[in-house]
Amino acid sequence: EPEVTQTPSHQVTQMGQEVILRCVPISNHLYFYWYRQILGQKVEFLVSFYNNEISEKSEIFDDQFSVERPDGSNFTLKIRSTKLEDSAMYFCASRGRRASSGANVLTFGAGSRLTVL
Amino acid sequence: EDKVVQSPLSLVVHEGDTVTLNCSYEVTNFRSLLWYKQEKKAPTFLFMLTSSGIEKKSGRLSSILDKKELFSILNITATQTGDSAIYLCAVESPGGGNKLTFGTGTQLKVEL
Repeated sequence: EPEVTQTPSHQVTQMGQEVILRCVPISNHLYFYWYRQILGQKVEFLVSFYNNEISEKSEIFDDQFSVERPDGSNFTLKIRSTKLEDSAMYFCASRGRRASSGANVLTFGAGSRLTVL
Repeated sequence: EDKVVQSPLSLVVHEGDTVTLNCSYEVTNFRSLLWYKQEKKAPTFLFMLTSSGIEKKSGRLSSILDKKELFSILNITATQTGDSAIYLCAVESPGGGNKLTFGTGTQLKVEL
């Protein structure tokens, strides 16, 4: 079964450092997302990406965050200068185009745990 | 602000019991409601509901949506220890991103 792949599975970084989280969405999917889950809290939407541009972003997704699809397969989330409160599990997700016979649901990757010290 | 509320927050049952998990929502724009199961890491898809009153079923799991009262329930019959997980409810909003707004989840533990 196709899956969304994320690397690294766990990253520890110092406050102020730049971090890039990588994702390989399902190959024929067109819509890409990043969500995060702070330990013990709910999963929160960060950003959606379609046709090489951001289609929607949340208040969390400030100037410190950026996303990129540098080639045909990878989808990255960059945090320019990490803060302690960026410590969380970051989930990448993707979905295809809605079909007339049904809807394509979001498929999540296993997540990248970011720990900022 | 869109809101999704799940109850109970946690639940401990014995194998063979039937459980009902609740999800209520208040969103500006509604497209669908989804249930996910989260074990170790990634949420895995269970159901998508778009129409009121139509039960979706998969094995021992079933779910139904009430768009008038703005809630959904997830039922699990004859629970097994493998059902132990966090069950997430999320509402999809139409728009540029079709983003999901999640509830806090219900942590279910099934004991022998």
